[in-house]
Order: sequence, then structure tokens, then C-alpha cells
Amino acid sequence: DADVTQTPRNRITKTGKRIMLECSQTKGHDRMYWYRQDPGLGLRLIYYSFDVKDINKGEISDGYSVSRQAQAKFSLSLESAIPNQTALYFCATSDPASGPNEQFFGPGTRLTVL
Amino acid sequence: DAKTTQPPSMDCAEGRAANLPCNHSTISGNEYVYWYRQIHSQGPQYIIHGLKNNETNEMASLIITEDRKSSTLILPHATLRDTAVYYCIVSPSGTYKYIFGTGTRLKVLA
Repeated sequence: DADVTQTPRNRITKTGKRIMLECSQTKGHDRMYWYRQDPGLGLRLIYYSFDVKDINKGEISDGYSVSRQAQAKFSLSLESAIPNQTALYFCATSDPASGPNEQFFGPGTRLTVL
Repeated sequence: DAKTTQPPSMDCAEGRAANLPCNHSTISGNEYVYWYRQIHSQGPQYIIHGLKNNETNEMASLIITEDRKSSTLILPHATLRDTAVYYCIVSPSGTYKYIFGTGTRLKVLA
């Protein structure tokens, strides 16, 4: 089984809808991240969490919110989706105790907002 | 803005060594160099990292210049499965902050 899973893997929605993307991990890592990737570009950090009580904005947090329900679960919400949020979304985890911040990525969620 | 500069694309013959360069002229003393790759639209995969010394693991070697302003990732015997986008990232140890550039698209040719 994969260590970092994301659901759904693909989602098509309409403008104005609320969408939740979920991430679960079995690695036991405290740190979790949400990134988005637009075509032809690198990943950009949306939010990150160092533990259940610690959530921080990344470089492109506007229009997004997150919830860290447990050490293993980190959800990303789009309260009112808009077309320019169409992108590939990745969740990642890391454990600084195991070395210099190697991040482990999930398989991604492809979101299309019509 | 990304703190690294990489060529947008490279080709390599199957079985030959692939040498992917990265410039990071503004790197700070506490910043590591990390390499990841992304195959198709899958999640990025960690390859290797280093601080000052050259590093080698089962996937690749990382050569960092003495002034640490540039590095080269070496895939010693490239295969078709190594076709991917390779990202060079500099980041302080223990922090969250990865800034991805656009990477190098490596195409391994049969």
C-alpha cells in the first residue's frame, strides 16, 4: 500500500462549488504539505502543517483552507472553486528527525473547475 | 522565485551517463541541494541531497562544486524509465521551504 494517498485522484467540478481534497499517510510523519502544479511549471506550496496544532500558509494560500484532523490526515478545501484553480494538487509529508527534510509525495489529484 | 537555474531540456542516449547541471549561485551556508524527479504527472520522487561533499546512492551521484554555486546530478547508466522532469532545489535543513523551478526535462533515447 502507498505511504501517502490522495482522494479523489480526479475531480471535475463547477465554478462556485465547495471541494475537499484529502490526504492520508501511514509514514508517521508530523509534517504535511499541500502543493499545486500548473502545466509546465514546478510545484508551489499552498499550506503546510508541522503538527496537528500548527498550520501555516504557503506562497499561494488565497482561496484555499486546510484542516489537520489527525497526524495522518491533512485536507485541502476550496470554499468556492474558480477555473484558475484547475491544477494538479499534491500532498507531501516529511520527518525532520529522519534527515534533512526529504519530502514524500502522494500520487496527486487532478482537479478541473469548469 | 526559484533559487536555482536549470536547462529546460536535455537528451541522453540509453545506457550513457546523464549529467544534469544546476546553478545555485546565491546558496547560503546552511542550505542543502536536493534533487527530485517527476515522471509524467506523478508525485515528485526524491533522488539525492548534499551539503558540501559529493554524494552517491543507488539512484545517482551528486557533484557539488567547491564554492557550492553549482552542482551536477549524474545518472550513471540512463534507461528509458529515467525520462522525467528533474528538479534541483536548495533549502535549509529542517525547514519546509522547497521552491520548485521549472526543472530539466530529460528524455532518454533508445
